[in-house]
Amino acid sequence: AQTVTQSQPEMSVQEAETVTLSCTYDTSESDYYLFWYKQPPSRQMILVIRQEAYKQQNATENRFSVNFQKAAKSFSLKISDSQLGDAAMYFCAYRSASTSGSRLTFGEGTQLTVNP
Amino acid sequence: IAGITQAPTSQILAAGRRMTLRCTQDMRHNAMYWYRQDLGLGLRLIHYSNTAGTTGKGEVPDGYSVSRANTDDFPLTLASAVPSQTSVYFCASSDTGTGGDWQFFGPGTRLTVL
Repeated sequence: AQTVTQSQPEMSVQEAETVTLSCTYDTSESDYYLFWYKQPPSRQMILVIRQEAYKQQNATENRFSVNFQKAAKSFSLKISDSQLGDAAMYFCAYRSASTSGSRLTFGEGTQLTVNP
Repeated sequence: IAGITQAPTSQILAAGRRMTLRCTQDMRHNAMYWYRQDLGLGLRLIHYSNTAGTTGKGEVPDGYSVSRANTDDFPLTLASAVPSQTSVYFCASSDTGTGGDWQFFGPGTRLTVL
């Protein structure tokens, strides 16, 4: 079974600075997808960014980018120019590409605080 | 309706009572899921359905049941609630046939079992 680990329960960053959230995973599969979801205080789960394992290029979405290291099974999220609205719980998630459907395995979450 | 709706938003329930959490999506997604969120544990999959008429067990299925009579609805039933089922429950859906493999989530239901 796949596992996802987020070793930082809490992180903080100053507004306009850069922060990196860590995520590692364990799998024996070669083809899979990785995601970062954001959960603000509203409780809504919002997709931030996704990465396909067969693509070597790191995904980027505006101020959000990932550092995908397949051999190390690492998938960190970098938030540049942090804004107050980035404050939220962030979840890393894994999805196998081999099974039907798209069931996700989540990490424990990292609570990000943005200080003005 | 736009996206996924869940009902109720929150509920306090006596132990031993039966409870059904409702989930409806209007995106015609083939796959639907139920997760529970607990502090320090992230979200864990309870049950899923790849298509109408089929269901499967996730990581923590005990004490829960689901049905998928049509594409849009995916109710989750607690037959006899216990305090350990106190959690926030999320319903999600995805369209696995078009390559858009990410999941859309509902707003969640906060359930407290006393």
